[in-house]
Amino acid sequence: DQQVKQNSPSLSVQEGRISILNCDYTNSMFDYFLWYKKYPAEGPTFLISISSIKDKNEDGRFTVFLNKSAKHLSLHIVPSQPGDSAVYFCAASARRGNEKLTFGTGTRLTIIP
Amino acid sequence: DAGVIQSPRHEVTEMGQEVTLRCKPISGHDYLFWYRQTMMRGLELLIYFNNNVPIDDSGMPEDRFSAKMPNASFSTLKIQPSEPRDSAVYFCASSFRGGSREKLFFGSGTQLSVL
Repeated sequence: DQQVKQNSPSLSVQEGRISILNCDYTNSMFDYFLWYKKYPAEGPTFLISISSIKDKNEDGRFTVFLNKSAKHLSLHIVPSQPGDSAVYFCAASARRGNEKLTFGTGTRLTIIP
Repeated sequence: DAGVIQSPRHEVTEMGQEVTLRCKPISGHDYLFWYRQTMMRGLELLIYFNNNVPIDDSGMPEDRFSAKMPNASFSTLKIQPSEPRDSAVYFCASSFRGGSREKLFFGSGTQLSVL
């Protein structure tokens, strides 16, 4: 039972345009969400996070939006750059003190020069 | 800091053989996680430790899998006997409670191929 779903296995975007990666979750106990980025032959690295008390968090070119009623979050990258080409994982956790992260299946983003 | 160190980077073995994956977490981190990455299921949590004690092993597929953390600087994940369906990338990650919530630091992974 996949509690965190990334329904798009891949996405291609022109350099300079906006990349939008989507994530849905089913567990209403999740209250903290993260995005990780993974390059080939490397481990995932933390990118950005958002608490359920917010609906938006921004860090430079990266913005995460959270829609709790729809149990949906998205990652926006503006403008997209070739170095953004990677696999992006959405992750979620329930309540502070529970360090367990549940990850999605990932979306491979390719930025076309 | 050297980050989370995993060994070996690649392991090719035959079905039925024992496989041992190793992990050295970041010094000072009190949580250690073992994840498995497959195309179908993404990153699955297998087991995690807090202060060397297993907290949740509900993700361990079956009795063929076992994990230990004898001290704060070392952990192993063992598969015995291995099967072709165990082929995947296995990641170790660590974190510390005083840091940003749930922010994990991953190693580079072990690519396991069981023939």
